[in-house]
Amino acid sequence: DAKTTQPPSMDCAEGRAANLPCNHSTISGNEYVYWYRQIHSQGPQYIIHGLKNNETNEMASLIITEDRKSSTLILPHATLRDTAVYYCIGNKRFGGADGLTFGKGTHLIIQP
Amino acid sequence: DTEVTQTPKHLVMGMTNKKSLKCEQHMGHRAMYWYKQKAKKPPELMFVYSYEKLSINESVPSRFSPECPNSSLLNLHLHALQPEDSALYLCASSQDGPSPQHFGDGTRLSIL
Repeated sequence: DAKTTQPPSMDCAEGRAANLPCNHSTISGNEYVYWYRQIHSQGPQYIIHGLKNNETNEMASLIITEDRKSSTLILPHATLRDTAVYYCIGNKRFGGADGLTFGKGTHLIIQP
Repeated sequence: DTEVTQTPKHLVMGMTNKKSLKCEQHMGHRAMYWYKQKAKKPPELMFVYSYEKLSINESVPSRFSPECPNSSLLNLHLHALQPEDSALYLCASSQDGPSPQHFGDGTRLSIL
């Protein structure tokens, strides 16, 4: 799995867009970029994943650079409930079930 | 609300006890996972089951014994644990093959 690098913590004001960066310069063409988050005292929650095109769902948008060496998760209108640790993870596209390799993630704190 | 149910939510046991953690999902997923998470650390993969067969064991000590009796259930049998095994144990499930994983909220285990 690709090694990912994320800032350890970030702050964002409530109602503003939260932009979380991730470097994954060693990601291979056989790996998706996945984002999960973990709110305190809960299990991780899947947010979004992508290969090379930008992706959007009801939770977030994912912007992947053309060279696929980095990506940005965007929460368009952050709320206090978005305070969590966000993990960027490279995971293979093909083959059988595979476990996730979590890095240290980014602790996002939404300020009122 | 999570679609992966873990019981019990909390467990305290002595080093000589035998106990089991249970995980259940009814999403028709054929892959199930156990992760261990120490305080303020990211989750770490322990086991992967695919179609009820153990496919990945991340060199976990034999005092942890997984079992997958059917496609909806995953157990983790515990025996002769050590205080350093105190952690949050997370279960997840997914479609077989690379796909988003759905996590339970975990069992918080304390070893006396």
